[in-house]
Formats: sequence, C-alpha cells, structure tokens
Amino acid sequence: AQRVTQPEKLLSVFKGAPVELKCNYSYSGSPELFWYVQYSRQRLQLLLRHISRESIKGFTADLNKGETSFHLKKPFAQEEDSAMYYCALLKYNTDKLIFGTGTRLQVFP
Amino acid sequence: ETGVTQSPTHLIKTRGQQVTLRCSSQSGHNTVSWYQQALGQGPQFIFQYYREEENGRGNFPPRFSGLQFPNYSSELNVNALELDDSALYLCASSRGQGNTGELFFGEGSRLTVL
Repeated sequence: AQRVTQPEKLLSVFKGAPVELKCNYSYSGSPELFWYVQYSRQRLQLLLRHISRESIKGFTADLNKGETSFHLKKPFAQEEDSAMYYCALLKYNTDKLIFGTGTRLQVFP
Repeated sequence: ETGVTQSPTHLIKTRGQQVTLRCSSQSGHNTVSWYQQALGQGPQFIFQYYREEENGRGNFPPRFSGLQFPNYSSELNVNALELDDSALYLCASSRGQGNTGELFFGEGSRLTVL
C-alpha cells in the first residue's frame, strides 16, 4: 500500500540550529515526492519536489530509495520557518497526492 | 493572477443534511482536486476533475460527488452527512491533465456536522 509517514508531530529547535523533518514512504514503483508547507494563516503551498533537486528557502530534501526516505533539511533554522510541513507522494497514473500527517516546526528565538 | 477561492469558509450542518462547497480555480488552470483534511491529519484525496469529467477518485463513498463547470470552477456535494464528515475541505487547482504534483490550494471550507 502507498503510504507516507511523518513520525514527528512536533519539532522544536532554536534559531540557527539544524533542522531535519523526517519522511518515510511506502511505494512499489518509482516515487515522486514533495514537501508542502503551511505558514500560519496562509494556505498550503508547494515547498519543493525531489525531481527538481533544488534548494528553496535554504531547505533541501534528498530521495533515498534504499531507506525509502525523503527527509527535509536546513542547516540553520530561522524563526520564519515555523510552520506545518507535509510530505506527499504522487501516486503513479492516478493524479493523486498522498500526504503524511504533517510535522509542526517551531523555531524559537 | 487570481488564486483559488473557496466558499463558504465555515458552515455547520446536522446529520443527514446535504452540503455543497464551491471552488474557483486559479486563472489558467483546468484541473481541480478536492481533499478532506480531518483534525490532526494530512489532506486526503477525494477526487479530481479535468475538463468537466471526473479524473480519479479516492476512497470516498458515492455520497461524495462533484462537478466541474466550463469555466473550470467546481463543486463538492456531500449527501446524508455523518459526524465523521466534519473536516476542512480543500480545493486545489493545477494545469493540465497530468498531475505534476504542483497543486495550488484554496484556504478551505470548514464543515462541522452536529
């Protein structure tokens, strides 16, 4: 079964500390994975996708097929990074995103 | 560029009633997807519409139905409401039939079923 697991409901760090938001997936084919973010009082929006191999707002995520993971990382957290982060898997040939339950990141000053 | 807009933002219904939620897609987008987000959960795919036809459906019963109009706006209808239908309903639009995974979300309609 296709599934996305985000084991942490809440991650709290201080400004300047490194951040890693965990995401594991279960998928039989070649996965396409995404990170979506929701800042306070804003709508859910795409942060980055693995095929782009880009860094957005200092965040990167590497697909590790061996560990079936797609963790989101940032070397130095900023207060404005505080938000809800969702990992999502695109189910092949069904045009459907499967979301994890989300991790709330709190960055303290 | 106009973003995705949804209405109403909040509504309260009782069990057994019917509800219609509305969504206007972002300009230039012809595909609309609906998601249900229960408290503490991630969004769950309900269905998607492309050029007025249903184009994929998640594990939701037939009492969840939808429409897409020629201007690409969309409706989600839920009949015979149950308490578990209480959730935030998100509409998302995208370009093209193939889902690239880049969805543009509305702010949602929060439904409470009493």
